[in-house]
Amino acid sequence: KAGVTQTPRYLIKTRGQQVTLSCSPISGHRSVSWYQQTPGQGLQFLFEYFSETQRNKGNFPGRFSGRQFSNSRSEMNVSTLELGDSALYLCASSSEGDARSYEQYFGPGTRLTVT
Amino acid sequence: AQSVTQLDSQVPVFEEAPVELRCNYSSSVSVYLFWYVQYPNQGLQLLLKYLSGSTLVESINGFEAEFNKSQTSFHLRKPSVHISDTAEYFCAVSGPPGGSNYKLTFGKGTLLTVNP
Repeated sequence: KAGVTQTPRYLIKTRGQQVTLSCSPISGHRSVSWYQQTPGQGLQFLFEYFSETQRNKGNFPGRFSGRQFSNSRSEMNVSTLELGDSALYLCASSSEGDARSYEQYFGPGTRLTVT
Repeated sequence: AQSVTQLDSQVPVFEEAPVELRCNYSSSVSVYLFWYVQYPNQGLQLLLKYLSGSTLVESINGFEAEFNKSQTSFHLRKPSVHISDTAEYFCAVSGPPGGSNYKLTFGKGTLLTVNP
């Protein structure tokens, strides 16, 4: 099976702009989670989607949003970008209904730089 | 609420030496524990997990971790490290799938550097 894919891999944006990142989960996986990784704050959970519904949400401002499509692909959007949004954004997928559903598989990430 | 503390931010060792990366957790609900590894410019790879049963879990590349409920610890060990083990290692805790705690809460990471 192909792994989790994320596009684009690298992105440079200007303060005040908005950005959309995309994630394609492993085939058959219906849960998609997003994480932000920065040197200062480490790895932080953004949100989780399952069957097109947001099931869990982390402590991020409303500028961070996401959605999931019927094919389980997910996008996250950040509006009104700030310098502090520069980070590696990681997407992870997991199956549902068996012991392996506890395992989250990560993509390579999208490196966002805000100037 | 869940939290994870990795006690060492950096661990330098020589090749073929043993290593232990320490991890302590706290949680008010049943926990599931994980170790992930991250190589430079890559995403996270699952190294091993504890869900239930035997408290000693092993990975295919020689790492092992022991779940200790009384000490709320999940330390990672390897008896003999290789240069290729140089990476950042993250300990994480999660609640069960489908619940409100189904999210990975990570420690700050431990950078393992293996020197020749």
